[in-house]
Amino acid sequence: KQEVTQIPAALSVPEGENLVLNCSFTDSAIYNLQWFRQDPGKGLTSLLLIQSSQREQTSGRLNASLDKSSGRSTLYIAASQPGDSATYLCAVALWIGNMLTFGGGTRLMVKP
Amino acid sequence: SQTIHQWPATLVQPVGSPLSLECTVEGTSNPNLYWYRQAAGRGLQLLFYSVGIGQISSEVPQNLSASRPQDRQFILSSKKLLLSDSGFYLCAWSPPPEAFFGQGTRLTVV
Repeated sequence: KQEVTQIPAALSVPEGENLVLNCSFTDSAIYNLQWFRQDPGKGLTSLLLIQSSQREQTSGRLNASLDKSSGRSTLYIAASQPGDSATYLCAVALWIGNMLTFGGGTRLMVKP
Repeated sequence: SQTIHQWPATLVQPVGSPLSLECTVEGTSNPNLYWYRQAAGRGLQLLFYSVGIGQISSEVPQNLSASRPQDRQFILSSKKLLLSDSGFYLCAWSPPPEAFFGQGTRLTVV
């Protein structure tokens, strides 16, 4: 059974810092990995999708990497801003159209 | 463009009452549809998924059921709510490989 773990569970940083969020998964035979953002009381917003054949994806200040062999992904946020404060979730799918298995999330607070 | 609608946004229901949450997707056809629950202090848990009309798979045995009466409509139901059914319910759809989520329904069972 696939298990996804995110470390740290919570993170508080001053504005402007570059930061890394970690995600690990137990079954390396994934189809893709997706990073989401969740604001309090809201749904999930898709940030980045990495296919199993890809090593990384970038969108603006966000960069996500994938190392299937080691079962790890990282989300890098450059020059953090207070508006980045949210919970970040990673999720993996084992095959196309497969349901997602989620990590517990990292709650990020960026202080002005 | 495709959009997903989920309602109601907030719901307070007494124990033993029925439940019906609705999710609809616009701008696409034959999507994969999912219901997830996020309980307080816990991660997202897949409840049901559907790959077509009338096709429902359950991931976790519980007090809930799901139906897909139309291609782009997914309904989560219960005949009698339990306190443990409280949580944040999220509907999602997938044009593989990516998944998109609705805004969620906060259900409080009292």
